[in-house]
Amino acid sequence: GENVEQHPSTLSVQEGDSAVIKCTYSDSASNYFPWYKQELGKGPQLIIDIRSNVGEKKDQRIAVTLNKTAKHFSLHITETQPEDSAVYFCAASWGGGATNKLIFGTGTLLAVQP
Amino acid sequence: DAGVTQSPTHLIKTRGQQVTLRCSPKSGHDTVSWYQQALGQGPQFIFQYYEEEERQRGNFPDRFSGHQFPNYSSELNVNALLLGDSALYLCASSLDRGYEQYFGPGTRLTVT
Repeated sequence: GENVEQHPSTLSVQEGDSAVIKCTYSDSASNYFPWYKQELGKGPQLIIDIRSNVGEKKDQRIAVTLNKTAKHFSLHITETQPEDSAVYFCAASWGGGATNKLIFGTGTLLAVQP
Repeated sequence: DAGVTQSPTHLIKTRGQQVTLRCSPKSGHDTVSWYQQALGQGPQFIFQYYEEEERQRGNFPDRFSGHQFPNYSSELNVNALLLGDSALYLCASSLDRGYEQYFGPGTRLTVT
């Protein structure tokens, strides 16, 4: 069945360092891969996404890479700040419309130490 | 521009009772999806509504049902509540044929 694995489950970095979170998906038909940031007591916030026709996408300090052959995608955060501390979720879906069901990973708790 | 809103924020119910949760999508969006997030887990897809009909459903029993209104807002109903239904219930809105889903703050349901 559909499955998304996410690693690591917890990640602690020093302020200014980089953080990398990795996900693997099982369904080769997946073509849309969003990343969400969830702070305590809040709903998930979409921070960046990538579609299967693109290998990499960058938005300021965050970037996402996709390897369709290996069915891997990763989130990279550079120059981490204490406000980056949160739980990050990767997800996969088959795209828009009636196929737009997100399958989520189990989350990564990122702690940025000042 | 208002984002996705959900009500109530918190709810405490007893086993066997019924509950209704509400969601208003982001302005301009026509599709609403509901997810259940247990503590320490990723959200799990419950179902999706478009044009006032359920068009996709996850692996949830019939005790979970929903509705979408002509103004695109939606309700999630859960009957015969079990202790295991305690979770954060999230609503996400999107455009039909669109990819991005935007989540509301969620409703925290506690079943005692």
